[in-house]
Formats: sequence, structure tokens, C-alpha cells
Amino acid sequence: DAGVTQSPTHLIKTRGQQVTLRCSPKSGHDTVSWYQQALGQGPQFIFQYYEEEERQRGNFPDRFSGHQFPNYSSELNVNALLLGDSALYLCASSLAIGQVQETQYFGPGTRLLVL
Amino acid sequence: KNQVEQSPQSLIILEGKNCTLQCNYTVSPFSNLRWYKQDTGRGPVSLTIMTFSENTKSNGRYTATLDADTKQSSLHITASQLSDSASYICVVAEPSGAGSYQLTFGKGTKLSVIP
Repeated sequence: DAGVTQSPTHLIKTRGQQVTLRCSPKSGHDTVSWYQQALGQGPQFIFQYYEEEERQRGNFPDRFSGHQFPNYSSELNVNALLLGDSALYLCASSLAIGQVQETQYFGPGTRLLVL
Repeated sequence: KNQVEQSPQSLIILEGKNCTLQCNYTVSPFSNLRWYKQDTGRGPVSLTIMTFSENTKSNGRYTATLDADTKQSSLHITASQLSDSASYICVVAEPSGAGSYQLTFGKGTKLSVIP
């Protein structure tokens, strides 16, 4: 079991560009959540996908959008990049949304640098 | 605004010593509280999950306690090892409707274990 995988590992973009980050959940998991973690901060919730739909969303602008595919993998898209979007983007997968005790498994993250 | 505050911000201890990390939260309502370990440049890994009815939970040398009345939690690490050097993040889950929940992360305590 490869666990949660993310690609790419690192990315450098310039302001105004668009970026797509990818995540494959742990085998058997059907729910994917995305987080943004700035340096020295805890992760901030962006949104969560279940059954190919956005089920929850944190306090992020519409520039942040996502998608979940039938195989449960997911993409995070960020348009019109700002310098402040530079962060580690974490994907977490879990099984059975609504199970209060279920553990989220995190991927290694994608480090995005916006110049 | 629901918050999760952790202390200390950073901590240096000698290998073999014990330490205790603190977490205070204002999240309400409350589903469960989690402690994660995050190595530098990697995704967080779950250590413990406790519901409001649980006072303590152990995972090897890690023991978490919870006082839901005072909204405080602690993570005690026994006989520290060099590999314990990491950030320890306190996370509180609150129900968000439709059988789901949202996670609020603390900023973490950066622990350094030195020989």
C-alpha cells in the first residue's frame, strides 16, 4: 500500500500563473481533503471532496478549486497565483465521511513557491 | 472564532528525558481531539484521537490527556529519542453538519531532542 501520494513534490511558479496539484488517496479511501500550510503555521483547511463533489470548504477564495475523479484521486487548482500562496499543500485521505473517529492519512505534500 | 493554542512554541530536551506539550482550545461544539507528529517537510502522522468522553489515550511512548471541561489537552512523551524531533500538532474536530466535521489545527510545538 503506497499510502497517500502527491505530485509534484516541488513547484515554482510566478505571480498570475495557474497551478494544478494532484493527490492519490490511500487504497480504499473515498474522501480527500486539501490543506495549505504556511511556514511555521498549522495546516489550514481548503476543502474536502467526497463522491466527486465538494462537501465542505474552508475560508479560501474562489481562486482555489478542486476536482475528484471516479477513482477517488483529486486535483487542487489555484488560479491567478499570489506571493502569499507559497506554502506546503497537503492532501489527506480518509474512509467513510461522517465517521467521527476515522483517521486522516496525509501525503508528503507539494511545496509551492510563487515568485 | 474557534481556535487551538499550543505551548510552548518550541522545546529542546536531552535524549532520554520526558516532556509535556500543552493544547488549549475554544472549538465548540467538539467531536474529538487529535495529536499529530509532523517531521520537517513531511505530512502529519496521527498519534492519538480522543472523544470528549476519553481522558487519556496512549500510543507507545506517547500519552495524550484530555479535560473537556477546561478544554485542555496535553501530550506526554516518555524517554525521548532523537527521532522524536518534530512538530507536534493539536487538532480539534467540530461537527459541521451532514454527518461530517471540520478540523482546526494548532500551530504546533517544535520539539528538538539532542544527544
